[in-house]
Amino acid sequence: GESVGLHLPTLSVQEGDNSIINCAYSNSASDYFIWYKQESGKGPQFIIDIRSNMDKRQGQRVTVLLNKTVKHLSLQIAATQPGDSAVYFCAESFTGGGNKLTFGTGTQLKVEL
Amino acid sequence: DTAVSQTPKYLVTQMGNDKSIKCEQNLGHDTMYWYKQDSKKFLKIMFSYNNKELIINETVPNRFSPKSPDKAHLNLHINSLELGDSAVYFCASSLHGASSSYNEQFFGPGTRLTVL
Repeated sequence: GESVGLHLPTLSVQEGDNSIINCAYSNSASDYFIWYKQESGKGPQFIIDIRSNMDKRQGQRVTVLLNKTVKHLSLQIAATQPGDSAVYFCAESFTGGGNKLTFGTGTQLKVEL
Repeated sequence: DTAVSQTPKYLVTQMGNDKSIKCEQNLGHDTMYWYKQDSKKFLKIMFSYNNKELIINETVPNRFSPKSPDKAHLNLHINSLELGDSAVYFCASSLHGASSSYNEQFFGPGTRLTVL
């Protein structure tokens, strides 16, 4: 069956350092990938997305990298701040799938002061 | 104002009861969704509706029945609640749901359901 992501790991980083969160996906038909941030007690919030015809996309302090050869997605957060502490999810979607999102299991990011 | 809102935020009930969770979006979107997040934080889609029409139904027990009175509302009714139904339920919406490319989904704050 389709699966996205890894077991829920925890990533601890020092404030100001860069964070890299990784995700694996298995559905070759997926053509759209999204990163969501979920803070405690809140719903997932869109961070950045990337289409399968791209391998890199940058936003404000965030960069998403896509490696279709090994079906790997990563989220890089520059100069990590305490407000970045949250669970981060990768998700995939494919054209014709009714906009269905398949989520990975998430990564807990903890920012240490 | 909250773009996607859900009520109630917390719901505690006994096994066997019937309960409903309401969702409303004021974004003018055509498509709405229900997701379930379990205790391990795993998020899985349950249903989606596009302009009041069921689009996605993901192997969900028929005790769960979504109802969309209009495209701004998608309620989730659950009959004969079981312990395993305890989870956080998220509503989401997107501008379109069946177009040729992905449409960003906006999530509500969630409803934590606890079945005792």
